[in-house]
Amino acid sequence: DTEVTQTPKHLVMGMTNKKSLKCEQHMGHRAMYWYKQKAKKPPELMFVYSYEKLSINESVPSRFSPECPNSSLLNLHLHALQPEDSALYLCASSHREGREVYEQYFGPGTRLTVT
Amino acid sequence: QQPVQSPQAVILREGEDAVINCSSSKALYSVHWYRQKHGEAPVFLMILLKGGEQKGHEKISASFNEKKQQSSLYLTASQLSYSGTYFCGTEITSGTYKYIFGTGTRLKVLA
Repeated sequence: DTEVTQTPKHLVMGMTNKKSLKCEQHMGHRAMYWYKQKAKKPPELMFVYSYEKLSINESVPSRFSPECPNSSLLNLHLHALQPEDSALYLCASSHREGREVYEQYFGPGTRLTVT
Repeated sequence: QQPVQSPQAVILREGEDAVINCSSSKALYSVHWYRQKHGEAPVFLMILLKGGEQKGHEKISASFNEKKQQSSLYLTASQLSYSGTYFCGTEITSGTYKYIFGTGTRLKVLA
């Protein structure tokens, strides 16, 4: 199974709402990533979890809150977002051992619209 | 620090070849290549780790120059399915870990 799943596929939320994005993989990967992608731009790294611990926070605003309940699941909690946060949110996973570099497997993404 | 890709966009006829370049002002630890079709997730193509390395995958191959500052992706006898946006990606290992994608190259193959 080389699939990363993400739910929901689409999400529309108001600026006062609280919502969560979910990501799941069953490839035994111990690194999981959240990316934000605007139209016609490359994905931008937001968070990296390595062995269920947050290792990187790319100075992302606190209205985005990641959570890694176990090695297969990754959540992104959203609160008080701004319209400019509308984008495609991609989850990815990879093997990670020390400095060994492995390919990332991406989920299909959640297209978020903030109204 | 973001790798710069060239060209920004290219249009091909089926069967034609293309080269996409990924350049950095500093040596890269590694280079990954991904293809992203419209409305879909990026899909991994290949990874290069060593200066001077060349790697192939059917009609798609890539090279990494000796100084590890440039990688090129070669698309041979292009097919309609090659259409999409190609990104190089790399890890930045000075200070905190970062993973960064290049600027992207939009490729369209016409019948």
